[in-house]
Amino acid sequence: EPEVTQTPSHQVTQMGQEVILRCVPISNHLYFYWYRQILGQKVEFLVSFYNNEISEKSEIFDDQFSVERPDGSNFTLKIRSTKLEDSAMYFCASSSIGDSPLHFGNGTRLTVT
Amino acid sequence: RKEVEQDPGPFNVPEGATVAFNCTYSNSASQSFFWYRQDCRKEPKLLMSVYSSGNEDGRFTAQLNRASQYISLLIRDSKLSDSATYLCARGGIAGGGNKLTFGTGTQLKVEL
Repeated sequence: EPEVTQTPSHQVTQMGQEVILRCVPISNHLYFYWYRQILGQKVEFLVSFYNNEISEKSEIFDDQFSVERPDGSNFTLKIRSTKLEDSAMYFCASSSIGDSPLHFGNGTRLTVT
Repeated sequence: RKEVEQDPGPFNVPEGATVAFNCTYSNSASQSFFWYRQDCRKEPKLLMSVYSSGNEDGRFTAQLNRASQYISLLIRDSKLSDSATYLCARGGIAGGGNKLTFGTGTQLKVEL
């Protein structure tokens, strides 16, 4: 069964550093998403991406965040200057069309020290 | 009302029991609804989509009540392996992608 893959599984970084989280969505999917989950809290939407542009973003997704699909297979989330409160699990997801369900990757645990 | 609201539990049930979870949502324009299962510190995994007509997959049955804006999940003959957090999710309105909004999840613990 095709799956969404994410790397790295765990990233430790110092406050103020830039991080790039990588994802390879399912190959025939058209919509791509990033979610995050702070420990003990709910899964929160960050951004959706379609046709090489952001289709929707949440209030969390401020100027420190950016997404890119550089080569037609990878989908990346960049955090320019990490803060302690960015520590969370970051999940990438993809979906095919319309109201189809999202399929999630296994997540990247980001720890900001 | 919160966008998607669930009782966080935990629901502690003996093996073999039947357990039901409800979830309420606030946006009546939502077109799609799902139940996901999440194990500790893992990704959400799709359990089933939820349709107005109801749908069943083995021991799991999901229902959607648009008039009252809630969805439900029934688990029959619960197994130890069913222990997890069950996330309710509502999708966006028609058109475009399907941004999901999740509830906080309901924790289920199935015990011997």
